[in-house]
Amino acid sequence: KQEVTQIPAALSVPEGENLVLNCSFTDSAIYNLQWFRQDPGKGLTSLLLIQSSQREQTSGRLNASLDKSSGRSTLYIAASQPGDSATYLCAVGTGANNLFFGTGTRLTVIP
Amino acid sequence: DGGITQSPKYLFRKEGQNVTLSCEQNLNHDAMYWYRQDPGQGLRLIYYSQIVNDFQKGDIAEGYSVSREKKESFPLTVTSAQKNPTAFYLCASRRIQGTSNTGELFFGEGSRLTVL
Repeated sequence: KQEVTQIPAALSVPEGENLVLNCSFTDSAIYNLQWFRQDPGKGLTSLLLIQSSQREQTSGRLNASLDKSSGRSTLYIAASQPGDSATYLCAVGTGANNLFFGTGTRLTVIP
Repeated sequence: DGGITQSPKYLFRKEGQNVTLSCEQNLNHDAMYWYRQDPGQGLRLIYYSQIVNDFQKGDIAEGYSVSREKKESFPLTVTSAQKNPTAFYLCASRRIQGTSNTGELFFGEGSRLTVL
């Protein structure tokens, strides 16, 4: 069964710093990988979706990469802001309706 | 604006009662999903539906039931048979793309159920 791990569980950085969040998965036979943001008590907001044939996706200050062979994805956040503080989750799609979620990295950006 | 609406946002239930959580989407998505989120755990799939009048069990379907009478609506009933129902429930949907269903997944704002 696919296992998705996000390390670290929590991260604090000063405002303005560039940072990388990690997501690893055990089975490289994936269809896609999606990064989400979750604010406390709220639903998940989709940030980026990478299909298995792609290596990376970019949206504004966010860049997500995918390396299927090594079972890794990274989410790069440039010039972090206090408003970026949230929990970031990755989810790996391995079939028509199989989506495996990590437990997330809680990011705090300190003003 | 298109999106997914879940209601109620907060719900309190006494033990032994059934409750129904509403999920409505106006994104014209074919596939809809219910997930449960507990602290320290990843989201777990309860039920999903790819077409009206058809739905499938997910990993933790016991104690839950769903219906899909309309494309826009996918309500979840938490029955008294669910042993530990206190959790945050999330509804999601996505467009079906071919046979692999690799479309982007969108979520509602969630419903927090507390059993007293």
